[in-house]
Amino acid sequence: GDSVTQMEGPVTLSEEAFLTINCTYTATGYPSLFWYVQYPGEGLQLLLKATKADDKGSNKGFEATYRKETTSFHLEKGSVQVSDSAVYFCALILAVYAGGTSYGKLTFGQGTILTVHP
Amino acid sequence: DSGVTQTPKHLITATGQRVTLRCSPRSGDLSVYWYQQSLDQGLQFLIQYYNGEERAKGNILERFSAQQFPDLHSELNLSSLELGDSALYFCASSVGPGQGNGYTFGSGTRLTVV
Repeated sequence: GDSVTQMEGPVTLSEEAFLTINCTYTATGYPSLFWYVQYPGEGLQLLLKATKADDKGSNKGFEATYRKETTSFHLEKGSVQVSDSAVYFCALILAVYAGGTSYGKLTFGQGTILTVHP
Repeated sequence: DSGVTQTPKHLITATGQRVTLRCSPRSGDLSVYWYQQSLDQGLQFLIQYYNGEERAKGNILERFSAQQFPDLHSELNLSSLELGDSALYFCASSVGPGQGNGYTFGSGTRLTVV
């Protein structure tokens, strides 16, 4: 089945350090890829997305490029802040077509805890 | 505020009991999804509804059931509760059955079974 694998956490960085969180996926078709962020005590928020190969999603200084050849969608940020401390989830949606309509479910990776120290 | 409303925010109940979690999707969204988040299992997809009809099922236990009403709000019913059901339950919504735009999540209901 479809799956998402994220790098093991937690990740601890100093402010202004470079961040990479690795994400690879397995899917039978061509999924859309997402990064979600969960701040302490809150729900998940969509951070960025890419819907086809070579697309680059970006938001709030974070970037990720959809790499079909390596089935990867690594999250990067050039200079992290204390306020970036959160749990980051990589996810995919693969559309399934049945009975003339389509549906898809969001499949998440395990999440990576990021802590940024001043 | 994401536009997806979940109630209650916190729930404490005893083993063997039954609870109902409620979700109102973002205005205009026809699909509702339920997820369970626990420390050991991560985020697990439970079930999806689209415009009142069940569309996809994930790792939902037989003790759990859900439905989406004509006004598009959804309820997740959890019965014969066990300690292991303690988790955060998230509802999410999307415009269509779910593809390229991702989902909008509510802030969750924290269920504690004692």
